[in-house]
Amino acid sequence: QKEVEQNSGPLSVPEGAIASLNCTYSDRGSQSFFWYRQYSGKSPELIMFIYSNGDKEDGRFTAQLNKASQYVSLLIRDSQPSDSATYLCAVNNQAGTALIFGKGTTLSVSS
Amino acid sequence: DAGVIQSPRHEVTEMGQEVTLRCKPISGHNSLFWYRQTMMRGLELLIYFNNNVPIDDSGMPEDRFSAKMPNASFSTLKIQPSEPRDSAVYFCASSFWGRTRNQETQYFGPGTRLLVL
Repeated sequence: QKEVEQNSGPLSVPEGAIASLNCTYSDRGSQSFFWYRQYSGKSPELIMFIYSNGDKEDGRFTAQLNKASQYVSLLIRDSQPSDSATYLCAVNNQAGTALIFGKGTTLSVSS
Repeated sequence: DAGVIQSPRHEVTEMGQEVTLRCKPISGHNSLFWYRQTMMRGLELLIYFNNNVPIDDSGMPEDRFSAKMPNASFSTLKIQPSEPRDSAVYFCASSFWGRTRNQETQYFGPGTRLLVL
């Protein structure tokens, strides 16, 4: 059973702080990793994807991948109340034809 | 680009009734996914199609659930008969699957909120 694990939270951070969201996956054959954000009552939307070990930065967001440890994380710098949402980690299957989603981590940023 | 279109956005029905959910993927995408989301189980993949062909339906919970994709621009998810435990948000997503990995990004529709009484 291929799994993607996330701490459900809630993760609470003050405005301006760094939020760190973590995800582990079980399938060593996975090659593509995604972070989606889902606001309450809305559909998931893509924030970032990462394929290679190391860091990938996009604005206030940084995705980090460590394939040896089967670990992927998302850092949000200068957190804003508008970042309050559930963050879903997703990993592709070996065929690359579908994604396996974690249950998500709920982030709450207080002003 | 219109994005993924789903209908209806909300559905309230009584136990035993047939429910049909509809999805129009993004034009040019060749993969379509049906998900179900609940608080308890999170986002579950029910079935996905590639080039209109069902690839994996192992996530379909029971024979009461069926899905079709008659052409590249339309798919349905049917529940017959519906039960209260089917109440959830059903999402459709589409992507283009090709040789380059960055084409695996899935784009979600707004979802259908189903309540079975």
